[in-house]
Amino acid sequence: NAGVTQTPKFQVLKTGQSMTLQCAQDMNHNSMYWYRQDPGMGLRLIYYSASEGTTDKGEVPNGYNVSRLNKREFSLRLESAAPSQTSVYFCASSEWRGTFPNTEAFFGQGTRLTVV
Amino acid sequence: AQKITQTQPGMFVQEKEAVTLDCTYDTSDPSYGLFWYKQPSSGEMIFLIYQGSYDQQNATEGRYSLNFQKARKSANLVISASQLGDSAMYFCAMREGRSSGNTPLVFGKGTRLSVIA
Repeated sequence: NAGVTQTPKFQVLKTGQSMTLQCAQDMNHNSMYWYRQDPGMGLRLIYYSASEGTTDKGEVPNGYNVSRLNKREFSLRLESAAPSQTSVYFCASSEWRGTFPNTEAFFGQGTRLTVV
Repeated sequence: AQKITQTQPGMFVQEKEAVTLDCTYDTSDPSYGLFWYKQPSSGEMIFLIYQGSYDQQNATEGRYSLNFQKARKSANLVISASQLGDSAMYFCAMREGRSSGNTPLVFGKGTRLSVIA
């Protein structure tokens, strides 16, 4: 059972280059998320998709775009990378059952991105 | 406004002792869930324990328990009988309920726990 799979695991970009981080989950979850983790800042939400066909901005969306390709896949795109986007990126997924927020999010292994 | 506050950037505990990691939260939604995650040095995020706002009893999972004080809006994680493998970063997180729609987890900044032999 793979869970949440992110690719790539590591990436070095030059300032101004573009790239797409891929994320896929095999748990049939409705909701998917992209977070970034920086030292001392915890995990901050970039974008999320509550269900297939919808996306919403999180706390730090500037410089990023997302695509919910289908129920399984949610990609994050950096159109013109900047050094400030050096971070560890996590994709996560969760299910929304009933009316209560009692389901945890499952995380991918993370992508360590360096922009030089 | 910050919704999850973890005031302890770092903590040390002796092996086999208990330790409490603090977490306070802010929400006006009566329906919410509180979660704790562990992140070891390898980087993965591991779900530990969950507490619902309507739960009457504190959640427990093995050596982990959650000291939930609703009136104080605190959800502290207690780790009993600490082990060297408990050395990691710990994150408190919250998800608000139906009145806010299908909301994502919001995380605190984390507490780094070091267990000393």
